[in-house]
Amino acid sequence: AQKVTQAQTEISVVEKEDVTLDCVYETRDTTYYLFWYKQPPSGELVFLIRRNSFDEQNEISGRYSWNFQKSTSSFNFTITASQVVDSAVYFCALSEAYSYGGSQGNLIFGKGTKLSVKP
Amino acid sequence: GAVVSQHPSWVICKSGTSVKIECRSLDFQATTMFWYRQFPKQSLMLMATSNEGSKATYEQGVEKDKFLINHASLTLSTLTVTSAHPEDSSFYICSARRATPTYEQYFGPGTRLTVT
Repeated sequence: AQKVTQAQTEISVVEKEDVTLDCVYETRDTTYYLFWYKQPPSGELVFLIRRNSFDEQNEISGRYSWNFQKSTSSFNFTITASQVVDSAVYFCALSEAYSYGGSQGNLIFGKGTKLSVKP
Repeated sequence: GAVVSQHPSWVICKSGTSVKIECRSLDFQATTMFWYRQFPKQSLMLMATSNEGSKATYEQGVEKDKFLINHASLTLSTLTVTSAHPEDSSFYICSARRATPTYEQYFGPGTRLTVT
């Protein structure tokens, strides 16, 4: 069965601090996708990244970076120099690989980590 | 980028009435749409998967007679909450999966349902 664990329920930091959000996943599939979404108070999910299981390269996008390690089944997310606008709930998610006419590819979400960045 | 809309964005209804929520893919065709439910301070839980032109597949514990899903076209899926009760109050989010070429999935902005 697929499962995503975000052990940190809430994190509070002061602006400009770096913060890492942990994500550990379980799956029997050899091909899968991992995602991170941001959910601000408005509720709309904001897509941050999608990574397939064959691509273990770390990724950096501005202040955001992701560390994917298959050996530990982790896909951690780091925000560098956090800002108040980063305050939101962040979800890590997993889906099986899409295949036309085959698997559905629905997302399995972790419970989310609420990040509060104080000025 | 691909856009998915939901209507209404929020709705308040009385207990016992039915509410219809629409999910539209505005600039792409979606053979598959997913409906998720999110209770306050909780994660998103998949309710059902709907494929255009066929019956929806419901997750365990989701009543198909209560949550009617219709995916009549490649750009529209509807979720009808029938005989709504206060415990159905939740945030309902749809996502649409692009048919080709990458099968990317895009989320709608969500619909907040409050049943009084």
